[in-house]
Amino acid sequence: DSGVTQTPKHLITATGQRVTLRCSPRSGDLSVYWYQQSLDQGLQFLIQYYNGEERAKGNILERFSAQQFPDLHSELNLSSLELGDSALYFCASSVVASGPQHFGDGTRLSIL
Amino acid sequence: QQQVKQSPQSLIVQKGGISIINCAYENTAFDYFPWYQQFPGKGPALLIAIRPDVSEKKEGRFTISFNKSAKQFSLHIMDSQPGDSATYFCAASRGSSGGSNYKLTFGKGTLLTVNP
Repeated sequence: DSGVTQTPKHLITATGQRVTLRCSPRSGDLSVYWYQQSLDQGLQFLIQYYNGEERAKGNILERFSAQQFPDLHSELNLSSLELGDSALYFCASSVVASGPQHFGDGTRLSIL
Repeated sequence: QQQVKQSPQSLIVQKGGISIINCAYENTAFDYFPWYQQFPGKGPALLIAIRPDVSEKKEGRFTISFNKSAKQFSLHIMDSQPGDSATYFCAASRGSSGGSNYKLTFGKGTLLTVNP
């Protein structure tokens, strides 16, 4: 158990809908990362937050947004969902921005 | 552009054998190289990591070998066990060289099967 908690574990929805994925980092970790894992693209970095502030963006679509709240949990919002958004979404956390990243067990998003 | 290339895609090893997975990177700014192990239905778990100031790091049955000039690093699993059967990912980031982007760039993964 990495100590990173992600909910829900599975999410099934339809095209055009909006969903919110939630991540609680390990106790004491200030930095949160979001990654997308798909068969064709592998593990891809989406966005990083550190102590509530956005630190870096990767290949994140404009339809996707995220935030980190004062209690350090983070949410990834995906809107106008398309079939191609079906993937595993992982959250990782680290103590400091440059520290080792520990991953949660992910949210499997299926778009029908 | 694939910045971290991992091989082989899949690997079958007999119990007690040595598993070797290789990675090559392009970005010379990378200075932190972790390996992750992922079981089905689980997230990647940090296995071992190395920084370029050393050429080898060993933790139990797992060893990372690092060749800075060749921009290559590899994972060796000694005395491989059926319980080691999983997907292994190499990754790289600018872990300590300043800036604010510590994102991990991952290889495509290696599916390791250890036969009993």
